[in-house]
Amino acid sequence: DAMVIQNPRYQVTQFGKPVTLSCSQTLNHNVMYWYQQKSSQAPKLLFHYYDKDFNNEADTPDNFQSRRPNTSFCFLDIRSPGLGDAAMYLCATSRALGTEGTQYFGPGTRLLVL
Amino acid sequence: AQKVTQAQTEISVVEKEDVTLDCVYETRDTTYYLFWYKQPPSGELVFLIRRNSFDEQNEISGRYSWNFQKSTSSFNFTITASQVVDSAVYFCALSVDTNAGKSTFGDGTTLTVKP
Repeated sequence: DAMVIQNPRYQVTQFGKPVTLSCSQTLNHNVMYWYQQKSSQAPKLLFHYYDKDFNNEADTPDNFQSRRPNTSFCFLDIRSPGLGDAAMYLCATSRALGTEGTQYFGPGTRLLVL
Repeated sequence: AQKVTQAQTEISVVEKEDVTLDCVYETRDTTYYLFWYKQPPSGELVFLIRRNSFDEQNEISGRYSWNFQKSTSSFNFTITASQVVDSAVYFCALSVDTNAGKSTFGDGTTLTVKP
């Protein structure tokens, strides 16, 4: 089945130690998104790629970076995780940008910062 | 700016009861899409439905139904004969082209269905 895959499902890191979360998709979608979701809150968009074009949300901290080496993969790098970065990180894809683009989400990676 | 309000933070029902989750949206755009997603305890956001602003026809899919009313800017979601497996957080979202199609999410409604 075509899908969005996130690894690992759970990630534990230490305060200040860089961590990378990965996302892959078999849907061949043009757009890939990264969301941060804290407990009992709505997902918050961090950034998205349309093909190789990177679009950062204005309020996304510099501590968060992303890479998309090819259509299938997208990575979220947290350069120096703080306790406040503990959250669920959701990757999503859509065929197109714009209202036609229904987003399909992966299962998420839950990040714990010690 | 876009806004989605899900006034019900938590709802608890007993199995087989019908339950309606409310969603009210705000936008000045005339073209937009509305979505509902389900987030079970496993964490994945599951797409349920997409509705565009020009289609006010209500939709039914099994036990799920959606009522879209532009006059009240509402897109409510009803689960008929609820089941324990329906327990999840449900998010309503709005997407407009003038915001590059990015979705604005409501804060979610946590539904608990008790046996």
